[in-house]
Amino acid sequence: EDKVVQSPLSLVVHEGDTVTLNCSYEVTNFRSLLWYKQEKKAPTFLFMLTSSGIEKKSGRLSSILDKKELSSILNITATQTGDSAIYLCAGGMEYGNKLVFGAGTILRVKS
Amino acid sequence: DGGITQSPKYLFRKEGQNVTLSCEQNLNHDAMYWYRQDPGQGLRLIYYSQIVNDFQKGDIAEGYSVSREKKESFPLTVTSAQKNPTAFYLCASSWKLNTEAFFGQGTRLTVV
Repeated sequence: EDKVVQSPLSLVVHEGDTVTLNCSYEVTNFRSLLWYKQEKKAPTFLFMLTSSGIEKKSGRLSSILDKKELSSILNITATQTGDSAIYLCAGGMEYGNKLVFGAGTILRVKS
Repeated sequence: DGGITQSPKYLFRKEGQNVTLSCEQNLNHDAMYWYRQDPGQGLRLIYYSQIVNDFQKGDIAEGYSVSREKKESFPLTVTSAQKNPTAFYLCASSWKLNTEAFFGQGTRLTVV
């Protein structure tokens, strides 16, 4: 059965801290790993990773895929209260029909 | 502006009633999806469509139905057969299957 597991389930940090969110996957014919940020309603796309070891960065956020370990991490440096959200990880299949989502990590950044 | 529009934002349904959730996109995407999100769980796929007049069941299709008569529109009907319909429903689209998907703002359905 295809599955994506995220950890931790929730996390509370203070502004300025650095956080690392984890995602492990077991997805048939794996093709890509996607990260989304969900603040209130619509998840917004952050990164899509298809090659192992390549880091994708956008400002204070970065992500790496490790195909050998079947995992990915999302790093957020110098966290701000606006980073508070649910972070969703999803695995995409080469020939499949769907993205397999994890349950998400709830991040709360305190000022 | 390009994007995905879901309506209504909130919907209340009496037990035994069918309701239809609207999803419209003007991104010219071929693929569209419906997901359900429950607290503490990830998004679960209900139905998806990769082209007009074609759609496939996802993991939790029982009690739901869809149509794809136009490229821009992918309405979801929650039927009375769905035993636990109270949830947050998200519609998404992508230019083809399994590429970066864009989400609508969601519809929160409550059965009263």
